[in-house]
Amino acid sequence: SYVLTQPPSVSVAPGKTARITCGGNNIGSKSVHWYQQKPGQAPVLVVYDDSDRPSGIPERFSGSNSGNTATLTISRVEAGDEADYYCQVWDSISDHFNWVFGGGTKLTVL
Amino acid sequence: EVQLVESGGGLVQPGGSLRLSCAASGFTFSSYWMHWVRQAPGKGLVWVSRINSDGSSTSYADSVKGRFTISRDNAKNTLYLQMNSLRAEDTAVYYCARDRGYGDYAFDIWGQGTMVTVSS
Repeated sequence: SYVLTQPPSVSVAPGKTARITCGGNNIGSKSVHWYQQKPGQAPVLVVYDDSDRPSGIPERFSGSNSGNTATLTISRVEAGDEADYYCQVWDSISDHFNWVFGGGTKLTVL
Repeated sequence: EVQLVESGGGLVQPGGSLRLSCAASGFTFSSYWMHWVRQAPGKGLVWVSRINSDGSSTSYADSVKGRFTISRDNAKNTLYLQMNSLRAEDTAVYYCARDRGYGDYAFDIWGQGTMVTVSS
């Protein structure tokens, strides 16, 4: 089955740029989605289709995807961005559908 | 307001059964694929199951295939997950989530989750 690999943690100072990676075999050929999850809360979609933002998500959140790595970039990081972030793709083998999440990355704002 | 509200979680013994429900409101439920996603304590998100808009097609993660059954009642705007032969490793918060519906298979709306604990 398809595997997505994320770094367990990323740290960044307020006002700086955070980059969270998501690795997968030829992930550039798939649509990658990103979710933010704060403690005790449900996940929230922050980027879909590699680089699009749902309404209400700040422009500070952006995404890219190429080759074997997708990246979520958070510009001008704020304390409120501290959360776990998950990448996700859809995979299919024959008639079997599978929705795959990365292991998650804890973003710490220093 | 678009909303998903799960219910039905609780404590169950290994080998037991539980049925989760997810009540949808604020959107045309019958037009969307729906999913269940779970999260074990302190762990990451894991996709569990999906059902298409009219209930005629389902998919399951290998870990629950043959034990869990997803279904829906579009007249009641409700999604279900029947969980049988429960194991300790099924202990998790279970979220229902809406598929965005544009063929990209992202989850754009999530419920608040319901906790399932499998323990003797």
